[in-house]
Amino acid sequence: GAVVSQHPSWVICKSGTSVKIECRSLDFQATTMFWYRQFPKQSLMLMATSNEGSKATYEQGVEKDKFLINHASLTLSTLTVTSAHPEDSSFYICSARGPANEKLFFGSGTQLSVL
Amino acid sequence: AQRVTQPEKLLSVFKGAPVELKCNYSYSGSPELFWYVQYSRQRLQLLLRHISRESIKGFTADLNKGETSFHLKKPFAQEEDSAMYYCALKGNQGGKLIFGQGTELSVKP
Repeated sequence: GAVVSQHPSWVICKSGTSVKIECRSLDFQATTMFWYRQFPKQSLMLMATSNEGSKATYEQGVEKDKFLINHASLTLSTLTVTSAHPEDSSFYICSARGPANEKLFFGSGTQLSVL
Repeated sequence: AQRVTQPEKLLSVFKGAPVELKCNYSYSGSPELFWYVQYSRQRLQLLLRHISRESIKGFTADLNKGETSFHLKKPFAQEEDSAMYYCALKGNQGGKLIFGQGTELSVKP
């Protein structure tokens, strides 16, 4: 099946710094990718829909300036957490719509810890 | 409003027992529903979807529009079934998935 690579798998940063998370579709082109946030033992909350070549669509309550999304190519979307604070600590997961545009394939997630 | 509800946070059964993970949804239109599974330390992966009417790893799920449910069932649980299970609904806006809260299934020997 299609593979989605997410990097890094975990990151620890100081409060006030910015962190970039990458999501790559390895063997297919993904015009649409999704970014989720997951708290321990809780549901995945959709943050935004990333569309190649256009601005991301953010869900209600998600700060666009805080969570910058760039989808500059058909195989790469990035999420940058700007000026991170401890409350941004979470598990971030990306997903990409597969080559047949039917199934969603998920990255392995990034655990962000802000000190 | 589009919503997916999984009422059980944790479901614990013994090996060989039947298991049913509940999922109810709220959606105005024809829903497309999925079950995803997340094994320990692994990524989320699709288990099955209602339009395929398939059985994966012995699991089945039937869409009941009258009860707005999509419960996941397996007649004989195995220890390797222990995982987090998420019910998801594909919305009508951009194909995004809306997830339920998840149910942790624990199958004891």
